[in-house]
Amino acid sequence: AQKITQTQPGMFVQEKEAVTLDCTYDTSDQSYGLFWYKQPSSGEMIFLIYQGSYDEQNATEGRYSLNFQKARKSANLVISASQLGDSAMYFCAMRGIANAGGTSYGKLTFGQGTILTVHP
Amino acid sequence: EPEVTQTPSHQVTQMGQEVILRCVPISNHLYFYWYRQILGQKVEFLVSFYNNEISEKSEIFDDQFSVERPDGSNFTLKIRSTKLEDSAMYFCASKNGEGSEKLFFGSGTQLSVL
Repeated sequence: AQKITQTQPGMFVQEKEAVTLDCTYDTSDQSYGLFWYKQPSSGEMIFLIYQGSYDEQNATEGRYSLNFQKARKSANLVISASQLGDSAMYFCAMRGIANAGGTSYGKLTFGQGTILTVHP
Repeated sequence: EPEVTQTPSHQVTQMGQEVILRCVPISNHLYFYWYRQILGQKVEFLVSFYNNEISEKSEIFDDQFSVERPDGSNFTLKIRSTKLEDSAMYFCASKNGEGSEKLFFGSGTQLSVL
């Protein structure tokens, strides 16, 4: 079974500063993937970034980077230069080892989420 | 960017009634999913669908639930006899070919069972 833990229910950051959202995971799979999604108050789930367990470099997507520490089983999201529009709920999620048909790539286990508030 | 479309955005129903939640996945996607999020709780996987059949389902997805892709573009989730505890946000998601990691979510349908 897979488990995602996000220990920060809420985080505050000043506009233009960087912020790190924590995520730890537990899995017995050798191959897995880690995701971060953003959920604004409007409700939709927006894909931010993905890290494969065998990727040697940390993933980056614009202002988002994933600080992947495999030995510690952590996959923290770093948002640089925070903007007011970054205020939202952020979910860490993982998928396990791929099944034969590939459908398991879309079966994600989510954490509880962290509410990020960006102050002007 | 193409998007997954869900209708309605809000649905209110009486306990025991049937509801159908509708989704139009991205047109070239092959894999389809339903998730739900009870207020204040985690997003939970319900079911995956590929090649016109269910490929995996969670414990939540009992006999009251069914999915269908009736016409090659829509993807529906039916709850036969709704319960109060079915009240949640339901998300449809899709992705393209095998090996693709990016899962696209719709904006959700908020289901309220009274």
